[in-house]
Amino acid sequence: QTVVTQEPSLTVSPGGTVTLTCASSTGTVTSDYYPNWFQQKPGQAPRALIYSTNKRHSWTPARFSASLLGGRAALTLSGVQPEDEADYYCLLYYGGAQGDWVFGGGTKLTVL
Amino acid sequence: EVQLVESGGGLVKPGGSLRLSCAASGFTFSNAWLSWVRQAPGKGLEWVGRIKRETDGGTTNYAAPVKGRFSISRDDSKSTVYLQMNSLKTEDTAVYYCWRLRYYDSSGYLYPADYWGQGTLVTVSS
Repeated sequence: QTVVTQEPSLTVSPGGTVTLTCASSTGTVTSDYYPNWFQQKPGQAPRALIYSTNKRHSWTPARFSASLLGGRAALTLSGVQPEDEADYYCLLYYGGAQGDWVFGGGTKLTVL
Repeated sequence: EVQLVESGGGLVKPGGSLRLSCAASGFTFSNAWLSWVRQAPGKGLEWVGRIKRETDGGTTNYAAPVKGRFSISRDDSKSTVYLQMNSLKTEDTAVYYCWRLRYYDSSGYLYPADYWGQGTLVTVSS
């Protein structure tokens, strides 16, 4: 069974920078996994932030950027705002008989 | 404005069945691939399955925990996608979200993985 791993929790100060990562149990994450990133606040539906590794949606603030870093997918928040406190999920594409997509377990980001 | 509205959730006994609906508006539904994602109480997101548009074959694929029990279908005339859930287990208890996985506009431009519905709660309990 494929497992996608994220940091369970991270803390960042307002105005700071933080990087969240997303690792695959199958090995190095590449652009062929089409990494996606989502933000979810308590009681709300997820909101799409990033698709295809590093492309922002039209509504995604520029302080959110994404890349491949050290064999993982990565989401970097620069100039963190209090409203960025949320759960963040990555999603990787695998295709095949086990199903197309697998979510990471999520990172709870605290802005403190 | 793109909208996805789920319905059909509720309380069902283990072994029972339930059909969820996701009604779409604000875009040409037949040009979209749709997916279902669920979230158990206090847990993370879990991909459930997807259905392609008819011009791409209308094929489906499912996550291993639901394969053989859940099925996804679509009615383009009603701009609605369905999730039929059979042989339900207590571990299927979750909020079920509808998600626009992929959309092609009239010029063929691809919009990937964008809009989500607000979800509908399914509780499997005796």
